[in-house]
Amino acid sequence: GQQLNQSPQSMFIQEGEDVSMNCTSSSIFNTWLWYKQDPGEGPVLLIALYKAGELTSNGRLTAQFGITRKDSFLNISASIPSDVGIYFCAGQLDFGNEKLTFGTGTRLTIIP
Amino acid sequence: NAGVTQTPKFRILKIGQSMTLQCTQDMNHNYMYWYRQDPGMGLKLIYYSVGAGITDKGEVPNGYNVSRSTTEDFPLRLELAAPSQTSVYFCASSPQGPASYEQYFGPGTRLTVT
Repeated sequence: GQQLNQSPQSMFIQEGEDVSMNCTSSSIFNTWLWYKQDPGEGPVLLIALYKAGELTSNGRLTAQFGITRKDSFLNISASIPSDVGIYFCAGQLDFGNEKLTFGTGTRLTIIP
Repeated sequence: NAGVTQTPKFRILKIGQSMTLQCTQDMNHNYMYWYRQDPGMGLKLIYYSVGAGITDKGEVPNGYNVSRSTTEDFPLRLELAAPSQTSVYFCASSPQGPASYEQYFGPGTRLTVT
């Protein structure tokens, strides 16, 4: 099946730092989504992107739909302790098909 | 709104036992999904449904069965549980229309098969 490659796999940062992570694929995706998963919880939708080149913000989070449609980026500005968790990208490959392909996640840890 | 609810939260099964994982959503969403998440991995789709009475296989359907008799409920059945089915199971739903790709997840069921 399709694979989404997320990088980095893990990040260790200090509170207040900015964070960047990305998701790439060998295939063209029509929709990109970013989710956050807290320990012991289900993923929560952060941002959905529907057009190539689209840049969308949700508070301190900003995500972009890559112009090639094969990648997406998520940035978090001025990280705070509650940003800790696993961030997943997900892509939708075929129009009319509601199935998503998920990346393997980026684990964010904030060092005190 | 409760959103997507799943029961039980935790379960330990012996090899060969069977069980049903329950999933209910109160958002009147047409689409519902079952995923499994293995440690350190992303989500893999087991089964999905685009409406009551309609189900289809995902990426990893073997060893599982589903039914969708109502819009709200989408139970996942494990027959003859195997250690390879030890995982965290998530149910999700999404609306029909432009936001159909925006899936909302339940809190998960952590299953151990020994």
